[in-house]
Amino acid sequence: NAGVTQTPKFRILKIGQSMTLQCTQDMNHNYMYWYRQDPGMGLKLIYYSVGAGITDKGEVPNGYNVSRSTTEDFPLRLELAAPSQTSVYFCASSYSNEQFFGPGTRLTVL
Amino acid sequence: AQKVTQAQTEISVVEKEDVTLDCVYETRDTTYYLFWYKQPPSGELVFLIRRNSFDEQNEISGRYSWNFQKSTSSFNFTITASQVVDSAVYFCAPRGSNYQLIWGAGTKLIIKP
Repeated sequence: NAGVTQTPKFRILKIGQSMTLQCTQDMNHNYMYWYRQDPGMGLKLIYYSVGAGITDKGEVPNGYNVSRSTTEDFPLRLELAAPSQTSVYFCASSYSNEQFFGPGTRLTVL
Repeated sequence: AQKVTQAQTEISVVEKEDVTLDCVYETRDTTYYLFWYKQPPSGELVFLIRRNSFDEQNEISGRYSWNFQKSTSSFNFTITASQVVDSAVYFCAPRGSNYQLIWGAGTKLIIKP
């Protein structure tokens, strides 16, 4: 199993650009999550999903959108990138307990 | 409201010393899970342990041990005979509703050779 994979690993965006962060898991987990981690901080939940077709907001959803059309994929969309969205983004999945994380995407908005 | 506190921002010890990382979780829930994750300098998040609130038995796994006391809402993590490779940021993360994890700010552990 590859576990949780994320693409890209690094990205630099200009203010106002948009992009999609990809996340895929091959463990057949129902739950999937998107977090952001700012320097020196813990993780903050952006969005989560309890199954295909079901998504909900986390602590910091503004400026982001998600979709969950399949069990495996949970892409995160940034529509109008802002410098405040410079962060490391982690995708995670779980069956019921511990969450398994992808390697992260380091995003810089200039 | 649920609140997790890792009061130690940074700890620095010399290799082979024992070190304990503190975590306090305040909640009105009577049953819950607590997790510890490790984030080494390479940036990935590594799951270490899961404990539930109705099991207060201390647990030992190799050089790692965990002490959970529900009465004080503390869930502490001890590394015995620390090694340089243990250097990382350690996060305490209780599980809230909808299987969400509530993340502490983390404790940066520096092990000096």
